[in-house]
Amino acid sequence: QVQLQESGPRLVKPSETLSLTCTVSGGSIISYYWSWIRQPPGKGLEWIGYIYYSGNTNYNPSLKSRVTISVDTFKNQFSLKVNSVTAADTAVYYCARDWGPYIHAIWGQGTMVTVSS
Amino acid sequence: EIVMTQSPATLSVSPGERAALSCRASQSISTNLAWYQQKPGQAPRLLIYGASTRAAGIPARFSGSGSGTEFTLTISSLQSEDFAVYYCQRYNNWPPDTFGPGTKVDIK
Repeated sequence: QVQLQESGPRLVKPSETLSLTCTVSGGSIISYYWSWIRQPPGKGLEWIGYIYYSGNTNYNPSLKSRVTISVDTFKNQFSLKVNSVTAADTAVYYCARDWGPYIHAIWGQGTMVTVSS
Repeated sequence: EIVMTQSPATLSVSPGERAALSCRASQSISTNLAWYQQKPGQAPRLLIYGASTRAAGIPARFSGSGSGTEFTLTISSLQSEDFAVYYCQRYNNWPPDTFGPGTKVDIK
């Protein structure tokens, strides 16, 4: 079955760029929407944005100025970059395969990213 | 912006009992609502979409109902593996993807 795995640095310094990659296995990245969602420690879920396999994107307005999501169909991966991070960006970051988009049907296990000097 | 609220914040239930979780939208969202279950240290899992359609592999004891502004997730007979946090999520309008604050279901 389809599995998603997040990877990337677990510690990022303030003002730098957070970069994560989601690798899709057991299925193709083609013909689906793919989202990033985050969850600060002890708090709720926040949708960051999605990308369609063709490259079309949509971002949460609250993060749009700092976020870029890209896709590599050859590697079956999609990626997240968040610029100018602060402690408020400390969270577990999840990637997900969507229906629709926006219905997050299959999730990765998540990766904790801490912003600290 | 449409705001999602969930009640109660915590629901204490005995195994085998029925649980009803409420989710409300500040404006009508038709049936553009999903429910997710999250256990400690795990990713959320999609339970329900379209307000009442169970996702693949979800047991029949989970059911969703409602439309417009009021929605309910019902767990007919709680099993030990059902104690978790449950989030509702709307997926219409803009911004299109907003989660409620969650309801924690714990053991009474």
